[in-house]
Amino acid sequence: GAVVSQHPSRVICKSGTSVKIECRSLDFQATTMFWYRQFPKQSLMLMATSNEGSKATYEQGVEKDKFLINHASLTLSTLTVTSAHPEDSSFYICSARGQRSTYEQYFGPGTRLTVT
Amino acid sequence: GQNIDQPTEMTATEGAIVQINCTYQTSGFNGLFWYQQHAGEAPTFLSYNVLDGLEEKGRFSSFLSRSKGYSYLLLKELQMKDSASYLCAVVSGTYKYIFGTGTRLKVLA
Repeated sequence: GAVVSQHPSRVICKSGTSVKIECRSLDFQATTMFWYRQFPKQSLMLMATSNEGSKATYEQGVEKDKFLINHASLTLSTLTVTSAHPEDSSFYICSARGQRSTYEQYFGPGTRLTVT
Repeated sequence: GQNIDQPTEMTATEGAIVQINCTYQTSGFNGLFWYQQHAGEAPTFLSYNVLDGLEEKGRFSSFLSRSKGYSYLLLKELQMKDSASYLCAVVSGTYKYIFGTGTRLKVLA
């Protein structure tokens, strides 16, 4: 149980375009989903927290208009990187917390974004 | 502020024991997680400590001292497949994780 999927696993896009990443909880309802980014040889940095049906809460320094998060249902959250630039190239990982779980987050497999 | 420190890299020999330390200063505390992460993959859960003491699970053990703001992950009988990054994450006053810097462990034959 507690499986989280992400799609796509890898994406290459051109500078200036937008790309959408989906995060789904497959066998549980996720009240809260989290989006992280990870640069090579670094740890995970929390970008934002999203609760179903409400606006996401962004961490300090993360641009809301650039990283659009939508948590439309209890099983789906999306992250859209708008007007992507090469410095947005990174590994994006989502996680989800279920209704009955305490503090544990279940992580998706990650999405490797490369902006050319 | 929030601060979680781990050694950046460690090297150990196959079959040995290694201890990875994590020290933290956070505004709230609802427990500490340890995760293993292989390059390009998602973190996988290893342990969760919320009370002081040692939690043992097979070859992996985790220890917590809340008064000292200190935890360690102990890996016994190291195997080559244990070469990975090990992340400690503190749950702050909300449900958010604050991740440490991560420790890259290299196991040598």
